[in-house]
Parts: sequence; structure tokens; C-alpha cells
Amino acid sequence: GQQVMQIPQYQHVQEGEDFTTYCNSSTTLSNIQWYKQRPGGHPVFLIQLVKSGEVKKQKRLTFQFGEAKKNSSLHITATQTTDVGTYFCAGYPQLENAGNMLTFGGGTRLMVKP
Amino acid sequence: DAGVTQSPTHLIKTRGQQVTLRCSPKSGHDTVSWYQQALGQGPQFIFQYYEEEERQRGNFPDRFSGHQFPNYSSELNVNALLLGDSALYLCASSLFLGGSSYNSPLHFGNGTRLTVT
Repeated sequence: GQQVMQIPQYQHVQEGEDFTTYCNSSTTLSNIQWYKQRPGGHPVFLIQLVKSGEVKKQKRLTFQFGEAKKNSSLHITATQTTDVGTYFCAGYPQLENAGNMLTFGGGTRLMVKP
Repeated sequence: DAGVTQSPTHLIKTRGQQVTLRCSPKSGHDTVSWYQQALGQGPQFIFQYYEEEERQRGNFPDRFSGHQFPNYSSELNVNALLLGDSALYLCASSLFLGGSSYNSPLHFGNGTRLTVT
């Protein structure tokens, strides 16, 4: 079945440093979504990317969808303590029998030292 | 506008018992997905319900079953509980967008923390 992997699993950064998490899927995706889960909370939707090579920005966050629609990245510029949490990518496969199954990666846990 | 609500918030069960978890979707949503999240891991897709039918199922045994009611609320049932079923169970609602290449974002509830002893 479809697998979605994320690296790194954990990242400690000093406040003000940049952060990047990478996401790879074993199958081609129709689209990819990113979620953030704060400690003790539930995943919260951040953004969706649909087009090959698409880049979207939300303030200090930059999201990219790979040309082959099998990988994605999230880059945070100048991290703040409010960025703490686990970032998940999640993709819908381009498969007829699994098109409704949003598969999550293992997540990257970001810790920010003030 | 109420978001996704789940009950109960916490539950402790013994091996072999059965459990029912409940979910009310966000107002206006018609699709409910259930996920299992073990500690330190990403949510694992259990199944999705739309129009009161199971539309998609992940790699979970038949001990996991569900139901969707006409008001779009949903239940997750787990029979013959195992220690490994201990996890956070998340319900997520969304809106079915038909043939669009966009998918409605999932709105998650706060989850039910199930502990099996």
C-alpha cells in the first residue's frame, strides 16, 4: 500500500533559525496537505497543494510540491516558539481504489529553544 | 459553529472488551474519517464514511467497524480489544467535493484516548 515518509523525525532549533521538513510518497499523489499538531492537541490543516511544482507561502512558511507529485517540503523561516509542534504531510494517492484515503506521514516534531 | 466533537475524551478498557466511540462532524460536513494515532506517530487511516456507507477502508482488521447516521454523526466500534489498540482515536470530518482535484481539508476532533489494560 501507499507509504508516506517524513524526515527528520525530530528537529531542535534555536529561535530565529530556519527549519525544513521533507515528505516522500511511494506513489504519485493527486494532492498533498500539511497539518500541524501542537503537543496534546489534534492535527490542524495548514495548506493543500495540487499542481506539479506548486509553491505556496503563508507568512514565514513555504510549501512546495515536487514536479513528480511524489514529494513535498515545508520550510519555516526564522522560527518562533509558537512554531513548536509536529508537522505532518498527508497525501491522496492517484489510485482508483484508494483515492479517498488520506495517508499521513510520521511527522516531524519541531522544538524551538528561546 | 460547532467543530468536530468526540466522546468520550478518555476511556480505559480491559483486553477482550468492546468499545464504542462517537463523533459529531462539523456543521455542513457530510463525510467522516476515523484515524488511530499511536504515541509519537502519524495518524493511521481506519475508514471513511459517506452517505451512511463505508467508502474506503485502511489496513485494519474486521474488529474495527463503524457506522454513519442520517445526521452524519458516526461511531467507531472495536471488538475483542488488544493491548495494541491503546491509542488516540481521531475523528475528522470533511465535505465531499465530487470529481474535483481538490479535497476538502479534514477538520479533526480532540480525539478519544483509549487505554487497554
